[in-house]
Parts: sequence; C-alpha cells; structure tokens
Amino acid sequence: RKEVEQDPGPFNVPEGATVAFNCTYSNSASQSFFWYRQDCRKEPKLLMSVYSSGNEDGRFTAQLNRASQYISLLIRDSKLSDSATYLCVVNGLAGANNLFFGTGTRLTVIP
Amino acid sequence: DVKVTQSSRYLVKRTGEKVFLECVQDMDHENMFWYRQDPGLGLRLIYFSYDVKMKEKGDIPEGYSVSREKKERFSLILESASTNQTSMYLCASRQGGEKLFFGSGTQLSVL
Repeated sequence: RKEVEQDPGPFNVPEGATVAFNCTYSNSASQSFFWYRQDCRKEPKLLMSVYSSGNEDGRFTAQLNRASQYISLLIRDSKLSDSATYLCVVNGLAGANNLFFGTGTRLTVIP
Repeated sequence: DVKVTQSSRYLVKRTGEKVFLECVQDMDHENMFWYRQDPGLGLRLIYFSYDVKMKEKGDIPEGYSVSREKKERFSLILESASTNQTSMYLCASRQGGEKLFFGSGTQLSVL
C-alpha cells in the first residue's frame, strides 16, 4: 500500500463551483500535513499547512481527519486561475526526511 | 521568503556525459533534498542531506551521487547520463520538520 494516495482526477469543474479533494495516508503516526499547488512545468509551491483543528485561507479550507487518516482540501468559488495539480504531502515519523508525496490531483476550472 | 535556486531551467545532454545539477538555498536550512518527478510517478527522493558532508540515499539513488561541501549548496551528479534519467529534477530545502521549499526545477533531457 502506498504511504499517501490521491485521486489523480482530472477534476473538470465550472467557474464558481466548489470542489473537494481527499488524500489518504497509511501511517497513523504521521505528524504534519501540507497541500502544495503545482502549475504545469513549474515547481510545487506551498498552498497551506493542515492543522488538526482545520484551517481556512480565503476560498481554501483544509481539514485533517486522524481517525480515518485523510486530509482534505476544499476550494470554494473556483477561479480559472485555480487550474493546477494539487499535491498532498505527509510528514511521517519525526525526521526531516520522512516526507511522502501523493501523485497529485489535476484540477481544470472551465469558463 | 526562502529562495532555492537551481542553476539551469533546461538542460540537454548526451548519453554517457557527466552532469552536474547545482542547488543553492539562502535561509541556512539544515536539510536539502533532490527529487525527480515523472508523469504518473510523482516525486521520488534521490538523495537527502541533513548537514554539510552528510548524505543519505533516498528511494532511487542508483546512477546518482551528491555533494554538500557548504551548507547552502547541494549538488546532484549524474556520473554517466542515461536516457532513463530524462526527467524534471527538483531541489528542495527545509528547516527541521517545517514546510518544504522547492527550486524552480531543471528539465533534463538525455539524448
């Protein structure tokens, strides 16, 4: 079983829609969680960290469900500029090297 | 904000050539990483360094070596480039368990 799994998509949604992605992880002792955004042929950039209590940044909401071992990213009022690949990243046991990446979920927002 | 700089954005090399990819970060981070990213496979760790002159193999170290002579610089070396090393190479750095910062990537083509 992979450490981190994401639905690769693609998700094609109209402008203004709400879309949600999930990412499951296998190690219950995982300690920190992140969502990164990656545009085509560019490097991943941090979108938001995911905190136990859930956190929101404008139209983006991230949540962590430790019991079911998944994190989620909700995007409200989708914009064309949200079109990208969204990667979830999980830090396993303590240690800078214990990072596990999902393969990414591709989102296309359609006019 | 942290800046991670990779020396080349695009590189074309011939089979058998020795290839150097350079990465410099400006925030005094302890930890530096080299990943390759291929379609459908996500990011895979090649090598990791947690201090000057210290390195650890990642998931796919075969055919690669690294050098970290100064804290800010982490070099990836392809001793004898092969066509299956054609890929996007991403350097990253982080402090402890904090978020990961990526360089802009080097798209390497080996002919």
